[in-house]
Formats: sequence, structure tokens, C-alpha cells
Amino acid sequence: DTEVTQTPKHLVMGMTNKKSLKCEQHMGHRAMYWYKQKAKKPPELMFVYSYEKLSINESVPSRFSPECPNSSLLNLHLHALQPEDSALYLCASSRTGFVEKLFFGSGTQLSVL
Amino acid sequence: KNEVEQSPQNLTAQEGEFITINCSYSVGISALHWLQQHPGGGIVSLFMLSSGKKKHGRLIATINIQEKHSSLHITASHPRDSAVYICAVRRGAQGGSEKLVFGKGTKLTVNP
Repeated sequence: DTEVTQTPKHLVMGMTNKKSLKCEQHMGHRAMYWYKQKAKKPPELMFVYSYEKLSINESVPSRFSPECPNSSLLNLHLHALQPEDSALYLCASSRTGFVEKLFFGSGTQLSVL
Repeated sequence: KNEVEQSPQNLTAQEGEFITINCSYSVGISALHWLQQHPGGGIVSLFMLSSGKKKHGRLIATINIQEKHSSLHITASHPRDSAVYICAVRRGAQGGSEKLVFGKGTKLTVNP
């Protein structure tokens, strides 16, 4: 199994809603990442978890809250988002870190109304 | 100036043509990734290289560390190769960690 599975594929939410994005991999990877990608732009790193510990937070607003409950799962909790947060949210994993090949999920397309 | 520059930004080719996409970077790196993103979002890692040349099927990636330049070649291009190709370099960041810095991508369209 070389897949990174993201759910949901599409999400529409209001600015007062609370929602969560989920990412799962069963490759035994110990590094997991959240990226944000706006249309026609490259991905921007948000968070990195290494061995279930948050190792990089790229100054992301607190309305985005990551969680890594175990080595296979990565969540991104969303609360009080703004319309400018609408984007494709990509999860990725690698065996131990950036030194390894990255495996990406197909993303969650988020629209904030 | 971006740390990672790709050229061209857009490329249209006829099926069967040989394609080259270039990536230049201005920082010291430990490795370079070539990624492919199809419409709809999914990103596939094509290559990770730190020296020399790698080949996988019709795809060839080369890197010249001294010249800070990498190329991605596609031989006998096919419409299914149509995608955005992204170059990303791995470099040191604050606190001893590393991060990936992405180029803006090259949008390739291969017409039948």
C-alpha cells in the first residue's frame, strides 16, 4: 500500500463552522506534512510532524490546528476560517523526513463561504 | 528573486516530441525533487536526486550541483504526460531542520 488517503475530497464550510480534514497512510512513514495550495501556485508548507511530534509550524494562524493521534493518522482541525483560506489542502508523508521521497494525497478542496 | 526558478512556465508540444523542463536554484541544497501534478490535485513524486542522472521509463532527470541546475526530460511525449511539473529543492532551515522550497511549476500540454 503506497497510498496517502485524504478525506473528504471536497469541503464547503461557513466561517463559523468547525470541521476537520483527515489524512491516513499505512506505509510506516514517520514524517507527515500539511501543505496549502492556492490555484496556479506551488504548495506552501504548513506543518510537519516527525515521529508524532510537531516539528515545524510555518507560522500558520491558530484557526488551523494540526493533530497526529498516531503514526498513521494526521488531522487538520479548522475553526473560524476566512474566505481567503479556500485552497487545496494536501497531506504528504515520507519515511523519516525531507531526505526521503514524498508521497502525496490527492488533497481536500476547501471552500470557505 | 525566487530561490527556485523554472522554465518555461508553459509548454505545448505535439505527441512524440522530446521535452525539456529546466530548474535553476540559488541556494545550497541537499537534494532536488521533481514532482508531477495532474488537474484535480494529486501530486506524484517522480525523482529525488542529489547528483548525476536518474531514469524511469520515458523520464530522465539530471542535476548539475556546481551550476545549480536540473533538467527533466520526457522522451516520446504523450497526451497523458500533460500536467504541471514542479521542481522542489531541499535546503536547511532555522533550527537545523530542512525544508522544501518549490518552484512555480511548468504547465505541460501534449496535443495528440
